Parts: sequence; structure tokens; C-alpha cells
Amino acid sequence: DTGVSQDPRHKITKRGQNVTFRCDPISEHNRLYWYRQTLGQGPEFLTYFQNEAQLEKSRLLSDRFSAERPKGSFSTLEIQRTEQGDSAMYLCASSLIAGGLEQYFGPGTRLTVT
Amino acid sequence: AQKITQTQPGMFVQEKEAVTLDCTYDTSDQSYGLFWYKQPSSGEMIFLIYQGSYDEQNATEGRYSLNFQKARKSANLVISASQLGDSAMYFCAMRESMDSSYKLIFGSGTRLLVRP
Repeated sequence: DTGVSQDPRHKITKRGQNVTFRCDPISEHNRLYWYRQTLGQGPEFLTYFQNEAQLEKSRLLSDRFSAERPKGSFSTLEIQRTEQGDSAMYLCASSLIAGGLEQYFGPGTRLTVT
Repeated sequence: AQKITQTQPGMFVQEKEAVTLDCTYDTSDQSYGLFWYKQPSSGEMIFLIYQGSYDEQNATEGRYSLNFQKARKSANLVISASQLGDSAMYFCAMRESMDSSYKLIFGSGTRLLVRP
């Protein structure tokens, strides 16, 4: 069990550019979550997948955001036309559907939009 | 309305002493779960302890215990015998069973600093 991994750990981009983050969950976990954490706040839910199906999206997830989880394994989160307000830590977590009490978090991707 | 409230932005504790981090919650669900996570400066959220709403006993995990007072809707984290490595952000979170996503709702966190 190698835990949840995220890539890259840090990303600096200019406003208007597109960025893509990757999350690899714990291998047998069928649920995958994305959260966003801004400075001084707790994480906020963005979206989640059960296997390959995206079942819920938060209102925080504007049209510029898209997430995928092909084949129910790794997931990607893409932000198009980045804005300075997108600067945040993007956290990925995974869990089992049934009986999984806690979500296991990755180290996060810190995005800075200049 | 905020679902998870952590009223202590920052706390200090002397090494080897105990400290209590406050958390109150709001839900209309009868079945829910309460979690505490630790976030060091590296950024990763580390699960510490879980309390189910129907659990009769307070949860304990090593030096961590959760003081669950259902009528008051509070779920305070107690860390005994503080260590320098306990310095971090601590987040209280809730999961409601009527929400099939089981997403976590987090408070704004408490920064704990352990003094040598």
C-alpha cells in the first residue's frame, strides 16, 4: 500500500494558462474525492467519483474545471484559463464505498497563478 | 450556517502537557461521523480519530481521544502528553449518512504550537 499520490506537488502558472493535476488513489479504493483548500481554511469538496463515474460536483466547480477518472483508476483535474482566485492547494482523497470510515489524503498539489 | 465550527484559530501548549481543541457541529442527520485530521506544514491530511454518532463510548487512539458530547453537538480533540511533532494544523470534519457521497465537511482549523 503506497498511499495516495499526487503530481505535481507544486505548480506555478500564468493567468489564462491551462493546468492538469493527477491523483493516484490507493489501488483497491473505489471512491476518489477532490477538495480545494485556500490559505487559512479547511478543505472544501469539489467532486467525487465512484469507480469511473463522476457522481457529484460542487457549485465551486465552475465550467473551467473538469475532472475525469478513466477506467476507475487514477484521476485528473484540469483547470482551463486559470485565474488568480484558483490559487490553492488541491487535495485528492480515496476511500472504500462500504465500511471505509476515513478518507486517505494525498500530499496535495499547490497551485499558484501569477 | 456553518456545519463545523472551530473557534480557536491558534493554541499553544507546553511539551508533555495535555491540550483540548474545540469543535462544534450542526446537522439534522441522526447518523453521522466526526473526524479529526492533522495537517503538518508538508500539507498532507493525516487521519487521527473517528467518532460515530451512535458510538456510546468516546473514541481513543493512542494519545488522541475525542470528547463527544452529543447533546451539545461538540466533538473536542484531546491530545495528551504533547510532543514537539504535534505542532500542526488540526481540522475537525463531519460526514452525514444521508449524504450518499460521504464527502467531508471541514472546519477552519486550529493551529497548534507545542513549546519545548
